[in-house]
Amino acid sequence: EIVLTQSPGTLSLFPGERATLSCRASQSVNSNHLAWYQQKPGQAPRLLIYGASTRATGIPDRFSGSGSGTDFTLTISRLEPEDFALYYCQHFGRSLWTFGQGTKVEIK
Amino acid sequence: QVTLKESGPVLVKPTETLTLTCTVSGFSLSNAKMGVNWIRQSPGKALEWLAHIFSNDEKSYSTSLKSRLTISKDTSKSQVVLIMTNMDPVDTATYYCARTVMDIAVGVASEFIYYYYMDVWGKGTTVAVSS
Repeated sequence: EIVLTQSPGTLSLFPGERATLSCRASQSVNSNHLAWYQQKPGQAPRLLIYGASTRATGIPDRFSGSGSGTDFTLTISRLEPEDFALYYCQHFGRSLWTFGQGTKVEIK
Repeated sequence: QVTLKESGPVLVKPTETLTLTCTVSGFSLSNAKMGVNWIRQSPGKALEWLAHIFSNDEKSYSTSLKSRLTISKDTSKSQVVLIMTNMDPVDTATYYCARTVMDIAVGVASEFIYYYYMDVWGKGTTVAVSS
């Protein structure tokens, strides 16, 4: 069973800075089945990226995803106040879904 | 507009069985490219996938919870039901249902590329387990 490990656990940045979030899989995965979600307190998660690099409908272009094999990255080019939140990577494979443990992006 | 809404009891006792319903609108559970997932989140913890069901009635369950879960759908009612047996206080969580999309694209070599993701989520329903 695939395990997704996200790092860092918490990222403290100023608005306007660049955020780089990592998601590492315990074995090579199909990047087409790798997605990223954003979750704000008290809200359901929101799809940001699917297929490792395709932005979902309505997602600003400051969000980008990259990676393949075991290493994937979510980048937020310039943090806006509304971007401070929790971020999860997710994978689907062999009929099983897996989430990473999340990275919190907080205001410094 | 696609929406999903979870419903079920707010409080259950230990050892009881939990039944949650996800009522969907804006799409059909018979759509070949779609399904529904259940996910939960304990207070302050990460998202935990529980189960999924696709339009062809293919089902899959979390390895660790498989023995306690049953997922089913009623296409005519636009509902997906999750049953979790033998509830314990550690099962206290917010339970979400989400639409699952199986997207298909054609690659540069004319191969089919399959994408899987959860594009629309319900707001969640909070369940507490306590005597």
